[in-house]
Amino acid sequence: KAGVTQTPRYLIKTRGQQVTLSCSPISGHRSVSWYQQTPGQGLQFLFEYFSETQRNKGNFPGRFSGRQFSNSRSEMNVSTLELGDSALYLCASSGAANTEAFFGQGTRLTVV
Amino acid sequence: DQQVKQNSPSLSVQEGRISILNCDYTNSMFDYFLWYKKYPAEGPTFLISISSIKDKNEDGRFTVFLNKSAKHLSLHIVPSQPGDSAVYFCAASFNNAGNMLTFGGGTRLMVKP
Repeated sequence: KAGVTQTPRYLIKTRGQQVTLSCSPISGHRSVSWYQQTPGQGLQFLFEYFSETQRNKGNFPGRFSGRQFSNSRSEMNVSTLELGDSALYLCASSGAANTEAFFGQGTRLTVV
Repeated sequence: DQQVKQNSPSLSVQEGRISILNCDYTNSMFDYFLWYKKYPAEGPTFLISISSIKDKNEDGRFTVFLNKSAKHLSLHIVPSQPGDSAVYFCAASFNNAGNMLTFGGGTRLMVKP
């Protein structure tokens, strides 16, 4: 069974640009969650999608958005990038609620 | 407000000994707890989980203990191996919140040969 796949692995963007990250969950998993990891704030929940609907949202500004497609693949978008958006962005897929979440390798975003 | 806390930023143990990593939480609605192991620039790897209806769960060298009254959980690794050296995160969720995980700040474990 293939794991969670995130693309791209690395990105460098300029302040003010926007970026789209992609996540393919484990086959059969319908829940996809996104997290941001920074040295200062640790691992923070961004949002969760289930069956193409946003089910939960963390405390991030509206510049952070996402969506999920009918095949459960998910994308997250960050608009008007700021230096502070530099982080490792992680995607996790889960089956039913309150079961293990399996993470992808992450996308390292650097904003310059 | 940090709902999940790992008060020890680092822990050093000798190979073959027991490693005990601790985690405290404040939200009594949490009913599912997980431990992850993480290397730099990689995604967390799931280790073991426990539901709030249990107080212990074992998987090989890893055992998680849950003390609901104290809002405390711990991960025991026996015996510790150098390959266990990594950052360990505890995480919590509650059933009505789907798969939204709240993470602790992590504990760096160093296992010395």
